[in-house]
Amino acid sequence: QQQVKQSPQSLIVQKGGISIINCAYENTAFDYFPWYQQFPGKGPALLIAIRPDVSEKKEGRFTISFNKSAKQFSLHIMDSQPGDSATYFCAAPDIYKLSFGAGTTVTVRA
Amino acid sequence: DAGVTQSPTHLIKTRGQQVTLRCSPKSGHDTVSWYQQALGQGPQFIFQYYEEEERQRGNFPDRFSGHQFPNYSSELNVNALLLGDSALYLCASSFGDSHTSGYTFGSGTRLTVV
Repeated sequence: QQQVKQSPQSLIVQKGGISIINCAYENTAFDYFPWYQQFPGKGPALLIAIRPDVSEKKEGRFTISFNKSAKQFSLHIMDSQPGDSATYFCAAPDIYKLSFGAGTTVTVRA
Repeated sequence: DAGVTQSPTHLIKTRGQQVTLRCSPKSGHDTVSWYQQALGQGPQFIFQYYEEEERQRGNFPDRFSGHQFPNYSSELNVNALLLGDSALYLCASSFGDSHTSGYTFGSGTRLTVV
């Protein structure tokens, strides 16, 4: 099974600050890399995804940066808000499944 | 438009018992995948069902089995429960080429084995 390495395990950021989460993957034949957001007691929800024909994708305060040659991609949360406090997972696709990173718990302090 | 519905939301079982978890996919989705999420971990792929057949299986023992019905809903069965089976079980539905269209996850069933 493909390994996806995610870091950091947790981070604390002040309201209005920037949160950065990094992921590295091994190999994939598919070019679609999603980030999921999970709140306690809920299932993961798709937050943003990128196809590596572009190096960056931005949706509101969330940006994915992708480095295909390095097999790395990252999530940037700009102007972090208390409502962003959640666990974030990167994932890499195989043909019929997703391989998830271990998750990053983000705490935004007001 | 209802998303993925899972039942029950919580369940407590005793070691050695058997359990059945249920999932109704999002409207328009024809594929169901099951994931196990241990506390503090990322979801781990159990298997995927498409056209009522298991299409791919992750690294889980045969105690884990599933079924997909003609209406695309699905069941996950776990036999001879172990304490280590305690986890959040997630159902994800999708349509077509899942790696491009994305997966929709349910809120999960929290299984506790005592």
